[in-house]
Amino acid sequence: AQSVTQPDIHITVSEGASLELRCNYSYGATPYLFWYVQSPGQGLQLLLKYFSGDTLVQGIKGFEAEFKRSQSSFNLRKPSVHWSDAAEYFCAVAGGYNKLIFGAGTRLAVHP
Amino acid sequence: GAVVSQHPSRVICKSGTSVKIECRSLDFQATTMFWYRQFPKQSLMLMATSNEGSKATYEQGVEKDKFLINHASLTLSTLTVTSAHPEDSSFYICSASGEQGVGELFFGEGSRLTVL
Repeated sequence: AQSVTQPDIHITVSEGASLELRCNYSYGATPYLFWYVQSPGQGLQLLLKYFSGDTLVQGIKGFEAEFKRSQSSFNLRKPSVHWSDAAEYFCAVAGGYNKLIFGAGTRLAVHP
Repeated sequence: GAVVSQHPSRVICKSGTSVKIECRSLDFQATTMFWYRQFPKQSLMLMATSNEGSKATYEQGVEKDKFLINHASLTLSTLTVTSAHPEDSSFYICSASGEQGVGELFFGEGSRLTVL
């Protein structure tokens, strides 16, 4: 069965520091992978997605993610975090036609 | 980008009443809509998948008689929580996809239900 694991429940970084959020997936075929961000009480905003091709994907707000098939990973990165990046981040895999399976989420706190 | 709107964004109801949440695709035809439920500080759990004009497909453990889903048109899907109880209090989020292809999925803003 398809699944997504986000090992880190909470992460705290200082503003300006680099960030990496981990995501591991389990899927039998070539996965469609996504990263979403959710601010408190809000819906989801798509940061980036990977379907095929270049394994380094650029997204909005300065985020990028790298697909590593050998490690079944799709980690999200940002070179310099801003206070406004504090939010909940979800990694997801498309388990069927547009049927997303989400990880548990990583809550990011940013210290000034 | 495509827009999906949910209404109401917040609703409070008494235990035993029914509540309807609407999910509308504003600028595209949504052949498939998905309903998710999110408990506080937890992830999104898929409840059901609905295709326009057919019965919804529910995930294991989701009571279809309690969570009625209707997808009568290509722009509207509704989730009705029947005989709501406090444990039904949650954040409900819909997403919609049309002919844009796999991975082209658009989320609503979510609806927070509080059952007293």
